[in-house]
Amino acid sequence: SAVISQKPSRDICQRGTSLTIQCQVDSQVTMMFWYRQQPGQSLTLIATANQGSEATYESGFVIDKFPISRPNLTFSTLTVSNMSPEDSSIYLCSVWGGGTDTQYFGPGTRLTVL
Amino acid sequence: EDKVVQSPLSLVVHEGDTVTLNCSYEVTNFRSLLWYKQEKKAPTFLFMLTSSGIEKKSGRLSSILDKKELSSILNITATQTGDSAIYLCAVEAVDFNKFYFGSGTKLNVKP
Repeated sequence: SAVISQKPSRDICQRGTSLTIQCQVDSQVTMMFWYRQQPGQSLTLIATANQGSEATYESGFVIDKFPISRPNLTFSTLTVSNMSPEDSSIYLCSVWGGGTDTQYFGPGTRLTVL
Repeated sequence: EDKVVQSPLSLVVHEGDTVTLNCSYEVTNFRSLLWYKQEKKAPTFLFMLTSSGIEKKSGRLSSILDKKELSSILNITATQTGDSAIYLCAVEAVDFNKFYFGSGTKLNVKP
């Protein structure tokens, strides 16, 4: 299995600001994903982070709001831009492939927007 | 539309009870079905099932896939309060390595 870390683990932010979440894996992986889990809801895929190219976004999510970077096979960032209280969620990165045989999740970032 | 449905949505049992959680799916190009346990933030991996009829077992937890019925069950025997969590079912599709999550079953085990 892969060891995944996320920073920050939690944050409280003001409306209109942006937050960048980092995801670091201890080994090279093929796929990195970003999910959102709003209170009381299941996981929703935001996008697939592609190494060296633009992320692939799911319906309802756009690059201007959730810019994603993946400069190499072990690291990715998700930025939540121009935040509103509706963005309050847990944000999770996950990885698949490389040395992993299935999908593993990072510890998550709990974001509260006031 | 690809989807994963879990039942029941929530469940309250007492320690020592046995529970069965259900997951059914309609996903094209099925590759695998995954079970996760989510307690606080991140889901932790429990099982991956790819072959029909083969039971995966880990301690008091076991799971089996029925590809004909497009479903899976997760059994927990002799439940403990530490089993209280949301149990998520996800199905992986071959196309673009997509994962479809169910809404989860919230299990509450009372002492």
